[in-house]
Amino acid sequence: EDQVTQSPEALRLQEGESSSLNCSYTVSGLRGLFWYRQDPGKGPEFLFTLYSAGEEKEKERLKATLTKKESFLHITAPKPEDSATYLCAVQATTKAAGNKLTFGGGTRVLVKP
Amino acid sequence: NAGVTQTPKFRILKIGQSMTLQCTQDMNHNYMYWYRQDPGMGLKLIYYSVGAGITDKGEVPNGYNVSRSTTEDFPLRLELAAPSQTSVYFCASSPHSGGAENEQFFGPGTRLTVL
Repeated sequence: EDQVTQSPEALRLQEGESSSLNCSYTVSGLRGLFWYRQDPGKGPEFLFTLYSAGEEKEKERLKATLTKKESFLHITAPKPEDSATYLCAVQATTKAAGNKLTFGGGTRVLVKP
Repeated sequence: NAGVTQTPKFRILKIGQSMTLQCTQDMNHNYMYWYRQDPGMGLKLIYYSVGAGITDKGEVPNGYNVSRSTTEDFPLRLELAAPSQTSVYFCASSPHSGGAENEQFFGPGTRLTVL
């Protein structure tokens, strides 16, 4: 069974204090690993897709990396507007039909000014 | 494009009542999904559809039903509501692509409370 575990559950940062979020996964065959951002009371918003170990993607202060067992979301010099819950999800090759995703529990990030 | 829209935004049901959560997308996506998100938890797939007339169960389908008569609409039906169905429900859609970019686009959610 596909599993996704995110850590930590919650993260409090000072503005400018860089940190990393972890997403560990077990999947029969990885088709893609997805990162989403979710603001309170809203639906998840797509950030990145990673497909193979060693791949990296960046968007503003966010950088996502991928290994064979985990992914990291690095937040560099965060600002208060980066406060959100960050969700990780995997898509397995065996479940490619319908592009189904298995989500982790998320990491709630709070950036204080 | 409005993207994925959901109605209602909030609803309170009594135990045993029924209701339909509406979901519409205007992106001409073949794939549509229903998830539930419990407090502090990730999203769990309830049902999904790969096209009009085709639906299949996800991880947690018990107590729910779906239909897909058009590409745009994917309603979720709750029969005999139970307190365990108190949750936030998200609808999503994604394009059918044989390639790599197949991200899901989410609606704003429906917050349901069953008392």
